[in-house]
Amino acid sequence: AQTVTQSQPEMSVQEAETVTLSCTYDTSENNYYLFWYKQPPSRQMILVIRQEAYKQQNATENRFSVNFQKAAKSFSLKISDSQLGDTAMYFCAFMKRIQGGSEKLVFGKGTKLTVNP
Amino acid sequence: DAGVIQSPRHEVTEMGQEVTLRCKPISGHDYLFWYRQTMMRGLELLIYFNNNVPIDDSGMPEDRFSAKMPNASFSTLKIQPSEPRDSAVYFCASSFLTGLAGVRTGELFFGEGSRLTVL
Repeated sequence: AQTVTQSQPEMSVQEAETVTLSCTYDTSENNYYLFWYKQPPSRQMILVIRQEAYKQQNATENRFSVNFQKAAKSFSLKISDSQLGDTAMYFCAFMKRIQGGSEKLVFGKGTKLTVNP
Repeated sequence: DAGVIQSPRHEVTEMGQEVTLRCKPISGHDYLFWYRQTMMRGLELLIYFNNNVPIDDSGMPEDRFSAKMPNASFSTLKIQPSEPRDSAVYFCASSFLTGLAGVRTGELFFGEGSRLTVL
């Protein structure tokens, strides 16, 4: 079974600064997806960024980027130029990739990020 | 698109009562997932459907929980009888098939959740 570990229950950062959230996972699979989801106080889960394991290039989405280390099974999220609206719970998640189908998304316990003015 | 729609947003009930949570997935999505979120256990998958058929219900805690998907646009999660330990936020999410190769992007689209409190 796959597991996802987020070792930082809480983090804080000053507005405009950069912060990195850590995530490690355990799997014997070779083909999979990794995700970071954001859950603001409004509660709705929003996809931040996605990485496919077969792609060596790290995914980026505007101020959000990942450092994907497949051999180390590490998938950290870097938020640059932090904004107050980035305050939220951030969940790292894993999904096995299969042809013509879907598998469940396995989540880490989350990291609560607070951006301070 | 309206996104995944869940109802009710909040439900407060007494122990022993029946609770029904509802979900309307995004039109065209063929996978539907029910997750439960608590402080202690985080986000747990309860059950998921493909084309209205349950694929994996191994996360359903016990027989008090049941889920149905009578058609592509509607699903329910029922708890009968409810207990205080069922208090949680219940999320519904949907996803869709992309690309001719049939390989999914994997992204799940979540509803806003239903917060259940059982007294």
